[in-house]
Amino acid sequence: RKEVEQDPGPFNVPEGATVAFNCTYSNSASQSFFWYRQDCRKEPKLLMSVYSSGNEDGRFTAQLNRASQYISLLIRDSKLSDSATYLCVDQAAGNKLTFGGGTRVLVKP
Amino acid sequence: SQTIHQWPATLVQPVGSPLSLECTVEGTSNPNLYWYRQAAGRGLQLLFYSVGIGQISSEVPQNLSASRPQDRQFILSSKKLLLSDSGFYLCAWSIGGDYGYTFGSGTRLTVV
Repeated sequence: RKEVEQDPGPFNVPEGATVAFNCTYSNSASQSFFWYRQDCRKEPKLLMSVYSSGNEDGRFTAQLNRASQYISLLIRDSKLSDSATYLCVDQAAGNKLTFGGGTRVLVKP
Repeated sequence: SQTIHQWPATLVQPVGSPLSLECTVEGTSNPNLYWYRQAAGRGLQLLFYSVGIGQISSEVPQNLSASRPQDRQFILSSKKLLLSDSGFYLCAWSIGGDYGYTFGSGTRLTVV
């Protein structure tokens, strides 16, 4: 079983709609989680950290469910510029990040 | 502010040739440094990480090696490239804690 698993998508989203997707992790000892965004042929960039209480940054909301070992990302009022691959990341001991394979989101007019 | 530089941006190398990719970080001291590889259409695979000068940990056995000759310099090398070494190589740094990583702009390597 992969340590961090994501639905590869693509999620085809009409502009202005809401999209949400999850990521499951296998390491119950993982302490920190992140969502990264990666545009085609570019490096990943940190989108947001994921806190136990959940956190919101503008149109983006991240949630952590430790009991079921998954994190989620919700994007409201999708913009064309939100089209990207979203990488789920967990951080276990030693500050090493483990990346999921990514979920591709395509926002269409 | 901290910046990370990675070069070259693209590289085409013949099978069996050597490789040297360099990554440098500015604006911070004693960062944790990482080399990742992303094969086409695949996720990021951690290759090496370093918590200090001369300290290298290898995650995946392969024909690649890494060195950290200076605090803010991380080098990825190979003596003889294989076709399977093609991919997008990313250097990253962190200060530890819950701050995630910052990636360099990557090197796209094609072995022919």
